[in-house]
Amino acid sequence: AIRMTQSPSSFSASTGDRVTITCRASQGISTYLAWYQQKPGKAPKLLIYHAATLQSGVPSRFSGSGSGTDFTLTISYLQSEDFATYYCQQFYNYPLTFGGGTKVEIK
Amino acid sequence: QVHLQESGPGLVKPSETLSLTCTVSAGSINSYYWNWVRQSTDKGLEWIGRIYPRGNTNYNPSLKSRVTMSVDTSKSQVSLRLTSVTAADTAVYFCAGINGFCTPTSCLPGYFDPWGQGILVTVSS
Repeated sequence: AIRMTQSPSSFSASTGDRVTITCRASQGISTYLAWYQQKPGKAPKLLIYHAATLQSGVPSRFSGSGSGTDFTLTISYLQSEDFATYYCQQFYNYPLTFGGGTKVEIK
Repeated sequence: QVHLQESGPGLVKPSETLSLTCTVSAGSINSYYWNWVRQSTDKGLEWIGRIYPRGNTNYNPSLKSRVTMSVDTSKSQVSLRLTSVTAADTAVYFCAGINGFCTPTSCLPGYFDPWGQGILVTVSS
């Protein structure tokens, strides 16, 4: 199975900050990567797929990049509603696997 | 907008079988292939497996010996059975759809959207 490693596991930031989350795959996955946002008690919400394609309705302050093994999710201007946990997921092959999550907390 | 709702017992005894149902909003069952994903503190998000309404399944090798998924298109429901449960199976279980390409025998991997709200299942005597 492809192992997905996110870093950092958590960090604190302030509203208005530019933040970047990293996801690394244990083998090359081209751009078969998705990003999700999850808030407590809720299901994950799809933000980005194919590494850089923004899901309909997701604010443009979210962006993704990368290919192969290294990927990033960037929030250009952190808003209060963005404090949440973010997960990456590979869909290069089965079994589908997720990263361990990055929790973005209020500083 | 597709709506998913998981249902089933919230408490299952060790060694017994966990059975959950995901009800899909009318008209959508054949538009996706359906997945179960679980989330626990220990293992994070874990894909359990998928089923294509027109026939084929694919299970996570880590759970394959204990998992069965089925679809009842007449009821617009997807079901999960997980046998011989232990405390390690305690988790929130989500139903999620993938709008991906399938043949009668396989489906291309994809990303999850939509998701159900999830149901907490605790394994305890």
